[in-house]
Amino acid sequence: TQLLEQSPQFLSIQEGENLTVYCNSSSVFSSLQWYRQEPGEGPVLLVTVVTGGEVKKLKRLTFQFGDARKDSSLHITAAQPGDTGLYLCAGVDNAGNMLTFGGGTRLMVKP
Amino acid sequence: GAGVSQSPRYKVAKRGQDVALRCDPISGHVSLFWYQQALGQGPEFLTYFQNEAQLDKSGLPSDRFFAERPEGSVSTLKIQRTQQEDSAVYLCASSGLPGYGNEQFFGPGTRLTVL
Repeated sequence: TQLLEQSPQFLSIQEGENLTVYCNSSSVFSSLQWYRQEPGEGPVLLVTVVTGGEVKKLKRLTFQFGDARKDSSLHITAAQPGDTGLYLCAGVDNAGNMLTFGGGTRLMVKP
Repeated sequence: GAGVSQSPRYKVAKRGQDVALRCDPISGHVSLFWYQQALGQGPEFLTYFQNEAQLDKSGLPSDRFFAERPEGSVSTLKIQRTQQEDSAVYLCASSGLPGYGNEQFFGPGTRLTVL
């Protein structure tokens, strides 16, 4: 099993602030996904990044895959209370095996 | 209701009891996955089905855990002789394509509490 470490584990910010969440591994992934999970629900896919150095934007969310495909970041601009939730990264190894999830970053945005 | 559904949503079991958790994937999805999510943690892979074939069960923590998908649609995760460490949310996900790297659609999970 390849480990994915997410940081920070918890983040509490005020509405309007910017934040960045990190997902790091010593292993190379063929692709990496970011999910958001709300209490009592399953994770919902936000984005998949495949190419090293790739940047994808989804409204106020910017996702980046590291050049070496070992790490990724999620940047949220002008956070809103509706962004509150558990953000999870998940990777597929080069052999196409098993989706490994990170431990998650729990974000709380206060109005 | 086109999403993945799971039942029951909540299950309380006494230690030593057997439990069965059901997953109804999105109709026509070939891939089905089971994950275990402990409180405050990310999901951990348990097993993967492609249609009715269980192609990967490397994540099952012990031989007390058993999963089946006999007709390639509905799946059941069975846990025998439950232990307190089995307490977790069990998530099911399905995907329209084979393999791990495609978008997975998750159900709401079954929260299992073992007393």
